[in-house]
Amino acid sequence: ILNVEQSPQSLHVQEGDSTNFTCSFPSSNFYALHWYRWETAKSPEALFVMTLNGDEKKKGRISATLNTKEGYSYLYIKGSQPEDSATYLCAFPHNFNKFYFGSGTKLNVKP
Amino acid sequence: EPEVTQTPSHQVTQMGQEVILRCVPISNHLYFYWYRQILGQKVEFLVSFYNNEISEKSEIFDDQFSVERPDGSNFTLKIRSTKLEDSAMYFCASSEIGGGRASGNTIYFGEGSWLTVV
Repeated sequence: ILNVEQSPQSLHVQEGDSTNFTCSFPSSNFYALHWYRWETAKSPEALFVMTLNGDEKKKGRISATLNTKEGYSYLYIKGSQPEDSATYLCAFPHNFNKFYFGSGTKLNVKP
Repeated sequence: EPEVTQTPSHQVTQMGQEVILRCVPISNHLYFYWYRQILGQKVEFLVSFYNNEISEKSEIFDDQFSVERPDGSNFTLKIRSTKLEDSAMYFCASSEIGGGRASGNTIYFGEGSWLTVV
């Protein structure tokens, strides 16, 4: 079993605040690191697939960075909005098909 | 936008009963998966399926579990004799090519089926 950890477990911020959270994963045998956004009663939505050390990807106000040598990825949200409230999951693929998920960071953005 | 659909959204069943969870993956996808999340725990891998056979399964996926692609569109998970500890959210997922390793390849998830075993 591979250890994929996310921190913090939950986060409460005010609208307009910028925030970030971490996913740590095994640094050996790295293939990719996936970020998902999961709103209650909806399907997890793919945000990013990070593959190269030093990768930085952006989608609107959300961006992610990757450090494969030390085994972590950061997800940043700039100017949080209430609609950003969700659980953010990272997933680390092992072999072709098996994802190991972190426990998620639950973000609550207050208006 | 194409999506993975799952039915039922919620099912309550008696311990020992058989349950079938159904999924319609995205139409041009070739790889199919089942994951589950027990309340308060991490999402965990159950099984992957490609070319009409299981390509990988976890230690959770014992003889009580089976998967099938009965026609060109559905992908099912069957639990033969449910136990209390099978209560979880079950997610179906699909991908165009082998999940995770290929750059840019994404696995798409359904909304999940809540299974409650009483």
